[in-house]
Amino acid sequence: EIVLTQSPGTLSLSPGERATLSCRASQSVSGSYLAWYQQKPGQGPRLLIYGASSRATGIPDRFSGSGSGTDFTLSISRLAPEDFAVYYCQQYGNSPETFGQGTKLEIK
Amino acid sequence: QVQLVQSGAEVKEPGASVKISCKASGYTFIISAIHWVRQAPGQRLEWMGWINAGNGNTKYSQTFQDRASITRDTSANTAYMELTSLRSEDTAVYYCARDRGSYWGYFDHWGQGTLVTVSS
Repeated sequence: EIVLTQSPGTLSLSPGERATLSCRASQSVSGSYLAWYQQKPGQGPRLLIYGASSRATGIPDRFSGSGSGTDFTLSISRLAPEDFAVYYCQQYGNSPETFGQGTKLEIK
Repeated sequence: QVQLVQSGAEVKEPGASVKISCKASGYTFIISAIHWVRQAPGQRLEWMGWINAGNGNTKYSQTFQDRASITRDTSANTAYMELTSLRSEDTAVYYCARDRGSYWGYFDHWGQGTLVTVSS
């Protein structure tokens, strides 16, 4: 199965700054079938990005995704207070679907 | 709006079984697959399996092939996940999640999660 490794484990930034989160796959992700989710305490994850770069319905345009093959990035252009959460990447090009271990985005 | 509402927290002894429900609303139930994903304390999300809500076909992760069973009741717009032979390592929050379509493999809506605690 494909192992996804996210970095950094924790990212400390201030509102208004730019965040860059990385997701690296142990082998090439077929079709760039990679998604990003946001999770806040006590809630289920929320879909942000699918197909590596397509924003899900209702997601602000400050969220963007890029990458292909084994290296993917989620960028948040200007952090809003509600963006501080845990972010997970997930690949769905190869069964079984697998997730990264998460990046915690915390307020500096 | 699309909603997935799961059944409440469960406490089970080792060796027992648990069955969690996931009631869907706000869309046509049979057009989207339902997946089950779990999150053990301090661990990453782990995909367990899915069901085609239209025809009932299922597929499981090899990890859960022998112990998990996913079913659905189309008259109740509800999916179920049963896990047998529970052990302490199965203590986790279990989520149902709607597939973007009949099977894309990513999840556009999630339930609120059901905490299952396995303890003697």
